[in-house]
Amino acid sequence: TQLLEQSPQFLSIQEGENLTVYCNSSSVFSSLQWYRQEPGEGPVLLVTVVTGGEVKKLKRLTFQFGDARKDSSLHITAAQPGDTGLYLCAGEDSGYALNFGKGTSLLVTP
Amino acid sequence: EPEVTQTPSHQVTQMGQEVILRCVPISNHLYFYWYRQILGQKVEFLVSFYNNEISEKSEIFDDQFSVERPDGSNFTLKIRSTKLEDSAMYFCASTTNGDQPQHFGDGTRLSIL
Repeated sequence: TQLLEQSPQFLSIQEGENLTVYCNSSSVFSSLQWYRQEPGEGPVLLVTVVTGGEVKKLKRLTFQFGDARKDSSLHITAAQPGDTGLYLCAGEDSGYALNFGKGTSLLVTP
Repeated sequence: EPEVTQTPSHQVTQMGQEVILRCVPISNHLYFYWYRQILGQKVEFLVSFYNNEISEKSEIFDDQFSVERPDGSNFTLKIRSTKLEDSAMYFCASTTNGDQPQHFGDGTRLSIL
């Protein structure tokens, strides 16, 4: 099983600040997916990145896949309290099974 | 938007009892998955299912676990003789094609006493 390390583990910021969270592995992934999970709910897909160097934007969220397809980052501009949640990255392991990182728990306070 | 639905939302069971967790995947999806998340830990893959058979399973998915698609809509996970360490959130996911993003249900919280 390929390990996905996410950092930081916890992040508490004020509304309006920018932040970046990271997902790193020593292994190459064919694709990486970012999910957001809220307490008591299942992970909700935000984006899939496939091509090395790819950048995808989802409103104030910018996702980047590393050139070597071993790492990815999520940047949030002008964070809002509604962005609070657990951000998970996941890559396909053997077959189609998803291998998740432990996540970054983000708290945005007004 | 179509979604994966799971029942019950919370299941409390005595250790040693059998439990069945139910999932209704999105209707045109063909690949089905079970994952679990022990409190404070990461989401872990259990099993994948396609064309009425298991296509892949993890080390966690031992002989105490089984999956079934008893009809055209439900996908179930059975744990034969539950242990305390089976306490976790269990998530069902589905997708149209194996390499497409997986859509998750809101999970069943299983508590073993």
